Amino acid sequence: GQNIDQPTEMTATEGAIVQINCTYQTSGFNGLFWYQQHAGEAPTFLSYNVLDGLEEKGRFSSFLSRSKGYSYLLLKELQMKDSASYLCAVMDSNYQLIWGAGTKLIIKP
Amino acid sequence: GAVVSQHPSRVICKSGTSVKIECRSLDFQATTMFWYRQFPKQSLMLMATSNEGSKATYEQGVEKDKFLINHASLTLSTLTVTSAHPEDSSFYICSARDREVQPQHFGDGTRLSIL
Repeated sequence: GQNIDQPTEMTATEGAIVQINCTYQTSGFNGLFWYQQHAGEAPTFLSYNVLDGLEEKGRFSSFLSRSKGYSYLLLKELQMKDSASYLCAVMDSNYQLIWGAGTKLIIKP
Repeated sequence: GAVVSQHPSRVICKSGTSVKIECRSLDFQATTMFWYRQFPKQSLMLMATSNEGSKATYEQGVEKDKFLINHASLTLSTLTVTSAHPEDSSFYICSARDREVQPQHFGDGTRLSIL
């Protein structure tokens, strides 16, 4: 079966760095997406990785290793507004998105 | 770019009412639109996938006669919850993409409350 695993919840301190991991097992691979979802709101697109390596976009970076079925989202210089759920999603061979359950990130002052 | 507009943002209505939710892609052509449902503190659940001009593909356990989806144009899809009941109360979110290997862009969601 298809499976996406990510931690349920993480806590970090304002100004620090946090890494949210995602491992996946899917039938085929056409890319991995990270989304941010604040409580009560719809998800917003953060990043897309289809090749191995690190993609940097401001304070957020996303890494992919296809051979390991592994990705992480790295958030630097954490701000209180970064408190949200972070969703990992993999596009399989049928171009269907398989969603992880999300990681709730709590930022403390 | 890649803006998806969803209306209404909130609906409160009596049991037995049918509710229509609209999802529009404002600055791109959405060949595929998706409808999700999310209960409080739970994951996104895909309800159905719709391609312009064809019938929607529903996920297992989603009643197609209860959740009517129409994707008549490249910029508009509608979800109609027919004869809604309190258990249908949820956060409904649409998303759209223009090509297969592209991110889905989400509307702001519709919070549906059935009394």
